[in-house]
Amino acid sequence: GAVVSQHPSWVICKSGTSVKIECRSLDFQATTMFWYRQFPKQSLMLMATSNEGSKATYEQGVEKDKFLINHASLTLSTLTVTSAHPEDSSFYICSVDRGRVTYNEQFFGPGTRLTVL
Amino acid sequence: GESVGLHLPTLSVQEGDNSIINCAYSNSASDYFIWYKQESGKGPQFIIDIRSNMDKRQGQRVTVLLNKTVKHLSLQIAATQPGDSAVYFCAENTGFQKLVFGTGTRLLVSP
Repeated sequence: GAVVSQHPSWVICKSGTSVKIECRSLDFQATTMFWYRQFPKQSLMLMATSNEGSKATYEQGVEKDKFLINHASLTLSTLTVTSAHPEDSSFYICSVDRGRVTYNEQFFGPGTRLTVL
Repeated sequence: GESVGLHLPTLSVQEGDNSIINCAYSNSASDYFIWYKQESGKGPQFIIDIRSNMDKRQGQRVTVLLNKTVKHLSLQIAATQPGDSAVYFCAENTGFQKLVFGTGTRLLVSP
């Protein structure tokens, strides 16, 4: 598999502040990473596809100006939640795509729990 | 389609029993399916996958069955252990590298 880390593992912030979440691929150079959001007792919802060196592709209904994604290197993608509000509180999970050797092979990070007060 | 669920279905079993977790997928064009295990507060962990040209695949203590006719996927866990307690998600590859996740099933294993 691939080893994926996220930082921080949890964060609490005040409403209106911005929060940056890092996703690192520790043993694989990832051209593509994905960002998901998961609300309590719900499934993972894809937010965006992060492509190294180019703009992210956002899913329908996800505000690109609110959730800024930067994939500046093959081992790091960041998600910045700008002007966070309580409804943005969620579990944010990234994944690394190892390519199509066996189709869509995604390996997930441990997640970041964001709580906005 | 996208998966939205407010209540996770729960499967409760005794240690040593066999568990069967079911999943209905939405896109008949999906060509690859994966089962993930998610423990509380953690990211999903890969369990087993299957391509659409197969109807069964076995791993260690786990078997995935695919019925394309009715768009149904199941995960069988043999000799379930307390450590298997988690939420299990199926995911389908709908193309363009994207995965769509099912609603999930919580598995509770009693000693």
